[in-house]
Amino acid sequence: EVQLVESGGGLVQPGGSLRLSCAASGFTFGAYAMYWVRQAPGKGLEYVSSISSNGIGTYYANSVKGRFTISRDNSKNKLYLQVGSLRTEDMAVYYCARSLASESHWGQGTLVTVSS
Amino acid sequence: QSALTQPPSVSGSPGQSVTISCTGTNSDVGSYNRVSWYQQPPGTAPKLMIYEVTNRPSGVPDRFSGSKSGNTASLTISGLQAEDEADYYCSSYTTSSTFVFGTGTKVTVL
Repeated sequence: EVQLVESGGGLVQPGGSLRLSCAASGFTFGAYAMYWVRQAPGKGLEYVSSISSNGIGTYYANSVKGRFTISRDNSKNKLYLQVGSLRTEDMAVYYCARSLASESHWGQGTLVTVSS
Repeated sequence: QSALTQPPSVSGSPGQSVTISCTGTNSDVGSYNRVSWYQQPPGTAPKLMIYEVTNRPSGVPDRFSGSKSGNTASLTISGLQAEDEADYYCSSYTTSSTFVFGTGTKVTVL
């Protein structure tokens, strides 16, 4: 069974940083591109970032470019998102996802709260 | 990258059909057949319902169908059931090698 479990969310002050993690199991992690998608409270889904299966290709939404960094460790079956220079508008549930097309599977998300 | 445009809400009685539109640009929907649709009941993670415009993952009822014309994709739910009540989002690959989601549509079963 495919499982994606996010962790690392929490309360952080504006300007602060966090490292989000996503532990994958039940599939060959290194064969898939992986994604981070967020959802602010009561709002819609927003693409944040993606990384190729070998970690070489990384892509970001304009809203987070230069502040967030995506990475992965295929030996540990883990996906990461380093989030920095946080703003109140970054407050959201952050989901990791395997594929945004066929074979798409999402975790349950981790909440990032940005507040002073 | 601006969000794809969806109607805020659609509604229908059980057994009826409803269609949700998803309008993008030549930089996303119009350039690729990589449009997906997700269903999200309250408090849950999104679930893939349609991928590559028309394809249904295994386990998704054939009441759900997708199509595309130009810069607009559509999701049709035929034979609407109470369990279909949820938020629905489209997404598309873009010419920037990123993805963009739609604004979301709340489906209400009357």
